[in-house]
Amino acid sequence: DVKVTQSSRYLVKRTGEKVFLECVQDMDHENMFWYRQDPGLGLRLIYFSYDVKMKEKGDIPEGYSVSREKKERFSLILESASTNQTSMYLCASSSSAQGPRVYGYTFGSGTRLTVV
Amino acid sequence: QKEVEQNSGPLSVPEGAIASLNCTYSDRVSQSFFWYRQYSGKSPELIMSIYSNGDKEDGRFTAQLNKASQYVSLLIRDSQPSDSATYLCAVISQGGSEKLVFGKGTKLTVNP
Repeated sequence: DVKVTQSSRYLVKRTGEKVFLECVQDMDHENMFWYRQDPGLGLRLIYFSYDVKMKEKGDIPEGYSVSREKKERFSLILESASTNQTSMYLCASSSSAQGPRVYGYTFGSGTRLTVV
Repeated sequence: QKEVEQNSGPLSVPEGAIASLNCTYSDRVSQSFFWYRQYSGKSPELIMSIYSNGDKEDGRFTAQLNKASQYVSLLIRDSQPSDSATYLCAVISQGGSEKLVFGKGTKLTVNP
């Protein structure tokens, strides 16, 4: 089975801090995604990447950046954390070779970030 | 903007009943459809996928797709309390983007 690992399950950070959320997948997937999930708003796509060093903005990229230096790792960066970035962050991956249309995405276990 | 709509619920059914979850989508060229289950505080897990019109059964779960009506549903037979979760509908379109578009989810509660 594909495994998508997010480095932290729970995280508490202070306003203004630079925050790194790490995601690693072990199945050589080309596509990786970062979502945040909030009550009543569903899953919202922040950034995604189809290949190493490639990144594309999702629906809500403001206040975030990403890094993909290696195929298996996709990092989400909160440049200056704010309280409105308190949320559940979910990483997902999929294979380009027919993967998403057949198998959808595989999600990591999520990181619940609280910014105080 | 491609959209996926679900009733937010909550949907409450007694144990042993059939739970019916519905989803409509706006992009007519959508080709692949998925149902994810998400327990409270956990990440979504894929439970069903469907690509062709008609029904697809997997154990107690049946996914139904009607592309003409742009409608996909999930039936859960013999509902169990362990089925209590939020169910997310997701859609992917043909060509170009590999992005899934998710609905906001329907919360299901199965009462013992």
